[in-house]
Amino acid sequence: GAGVSQTPSNKVTEKGKYVELRCDPISGHTALYWYRQSLGQGPEFLIYFQGTGAADDSGLPNDRFFAVRPEGSVSTLKIQRTERGDSAVYLCASSLQTESPLHFGNGTRLTVT
Amino acid sequence: GESVGLHLPTLSVQEGDNSIINCAYSNSASDYFIWYKQESGKGPQFIIDIRSNMDKRQGQRVTVLLNKTVKHLSLQIAATQPGDSAVYFCAENNNFNKFYFGSGTKLNVKP
Repeated sequence: GAGVSQTPSNKVTEKGKYVELRCDPISGHTALYWYRQSLGQGPEFLIYFQGTGAADDSGLPNDRFFAVRPEGSVSTLKIQRTERGDSAVYLCASSLQTESPLHFGNGTRLTVT
Repeated sequence: GESVGLHLPTLSVQEGDNSIINCAYSNSASDYFIWYKQESGKGPQFIIDIRSNMDKRQGQRVTVLLNKTVKHLSLQIAATQPGDSAVYFCAENNNFNKFYFGSGTKLNVKP
């Protein structure tokens, strides 16, 4: 079956630009997560959705970061006024229910020049 | 934030030997733990999980041990193969399914 799909796989943008990263979770998974992974580090929590609502957005670094999941399936992570420090791999994961394994996509590698 | 750490950043083993990857966690309230494997350019892949009411869980060639007294988790891989070469992360869940990850251990399998 299809896993978590993330698009684009790579994104290069200039400092100050706006970007959107898309995540298609596994069908039927109600929980969706965004993580950020820097080189040589473990994934860092950004935000968690249960259904359409953001259950926990405490990991978003600042108000330039925003995520939506309007219909409880596909999610978009939006980054405004990108900075070079935003360069990282952005990982999306979904899970069937709370306290069940997260299934990750292969991530979007964002490079801000 | 929470602290999930690994004792060794890099582990080299001979093909066919057993591997043991360790992880320390800091929050005694954590009740669910997962080991992930990550290959270059890919997302983390689920290996095995364990809940806090268990001490040991076995899968295919893998075993996870949980010692709640010292807040320690380990992953044992039997008969390590070249395809096991990757970075391994432990993740803990102590707050409504928000998982915290350590920085990972790189496993090198020598032929």
